[in-house]
Amino acid sequence: DQQVKQNSPSLSVQEGRISILNCDYTNSMFDYFLWYKKYPAEGPTFLISISSIKDKNEDGRFTVFLNKSAKHLSLHIVPSQPGDSAVYFCAAREYGNKLVFGAGTILRVKS
Amino acid sequence: EAGVTQFPSHSVIEKGQTVTLRCDPISGHDNLYWYRRVMGKEIKFLLHFVKESKQDESGMPNNRFLAERTGGTYSTLKVQPAELEDSGVYFCASSQQGDLITDTQYFGPGTRLTVL
Repeated sequence: DQQVKQNSPSLSVQEGRISILNCDYTNSMFDYFLWYKKYPAEGPTFLISISSIKDKNEDGRFTVFLNKSAKHLSLHIVPSQPGDSAVYFCAAREYGNKLVFGAGTILRVKS
Repeated sequence: EAGVTQFPSHSVIEKGQTVTLRCDPISGHDNLYWYRRVMGKEIKFLLHFVKESKQDESGMPNNRFLAERTGGTYSTLKVQPAELEDSGVYFCASSQQGDLITDTQYFGPGTRLTVL
């Protein structure tokens, strides 16, 4: 039973436009959410996070939005760059240091 | 500073054989984690060490998997005997502190295990 779902396996965006990656979760006990980025043959790299007490966190071109009532979060990348092409994983803290990940969304930014 | 390293990068074995994966965390990181990603699906937590102690092993699939971290430095994950469904990419991660909110988990490049 998948508790974190990324329903879009892939997304293609033109360079300079906005990329929006979505994530839904089912466990209302999750209190901290993270996005990781993964290039081929590398491990996931932490990108940005948000606590469940906030609804937005911004870091440069990356913004994460959290809608607790809908159990939905999204990652916005503006403007998108070709170097942003990667697999993006949404993750949530279940308890302690245990992370629950989604299956990932492949982002392709076309130049 | 060296990142998390994993060895081997790839392993191909036959069903019933034994394989041992190794992870070297970032120096000074007391927390070490193992994860697995099967065939493009979600990355699943396997277990968490704090130094040499298993803090949480709730994600270990079954008793064919044995993780150790003798001396609290590097860790090994042994699969014996391997089954077809064990194929996937095994990631190791480490963090300095034990709090996700104040500390980041740094991932290694993974070991791709193929069981034939």
